[in-house]
Amino acid sequence: DAKTTQPTSMDCAEGRAANLPCNHSTISGNEYVYWYRQIHSQGPQYIIHGLKNNETNEMASLIITEDRKSSTLILPHATLRDTAVYYCIVRPVDGSARQLTFGSGTQLTVLP
Amino acid sequence: DGGITQSPKYLFRKEGQNVTLSCEQNLNHDAMYWYRQDPGQGLRLIYYSQIVNDFQKGDIAEGYSVSREKKESFPLTVTSAQKNPTAFYLCASSIVRGRAGDEQFFGPGTRLTVL
Repeated sequence: DAKTTQPTSMDCAEGRAANLPCNHSTISGNEYVYWYRQIHSQGPQYIIHGLKNNETNEMASLIITEDRKSSTLILPHATLRDTAVYYCIVRPVDGSARQLTFGSGTQLTVLP
Repeated sequence: DGGITQSPKYLFRKEGQNVTLSCEQNLNHDAMYWYRQDPGQGLRLIYYSQIVNDFQKGDIAEGYSVSREKKESFPLTVTSAQKNPTAFYLCASSIVRGRAGDEQFFGPGTRLTVL
């Protein structure tokens, strides 16, 4: 699996958009980008995933650069409950890698 | 409500005792997973199972055992051979969809402390 690089921590004001970057410069053409988050002492929660097109769901938007070497997770209107560690993960499209390989993630703190 | 349940939330055991952590899902998912998380670190895969009566070792299977007798259940036993069992244990499940991508759904976790 491709290695990902994320900032250790970020702050965001409540109500503003939170933009979380992720570098995955060694990603291959058959790997998805996944985002999960983990609120303290809880199980991780799936947010969104994409291959090469931008994706949006009820939780967030995922913007993947044209060269696929980086992506940004956007929480459009951050709330205090969005404070969590956010993990960017890449996995093969063919499902051959069963596990999720979590790095250290980005601690997002939403400030009142 | 559909979901994954893990019990108990907190578990204390004496050193040298085996302990079994429960994981049940009613999502009709084929695949189930056990991860371990240590403080300030990401998740590491212990075991996974894609089908009943079959399972594979993950990165850190030593000192652990599992069974998959029913689709809904994937219990994890932490044996006395596990040298550092105190950790946060997370169970997950997913549909096996291959190329479509398969998000994993996690339970609330069990925090095991060995005294």
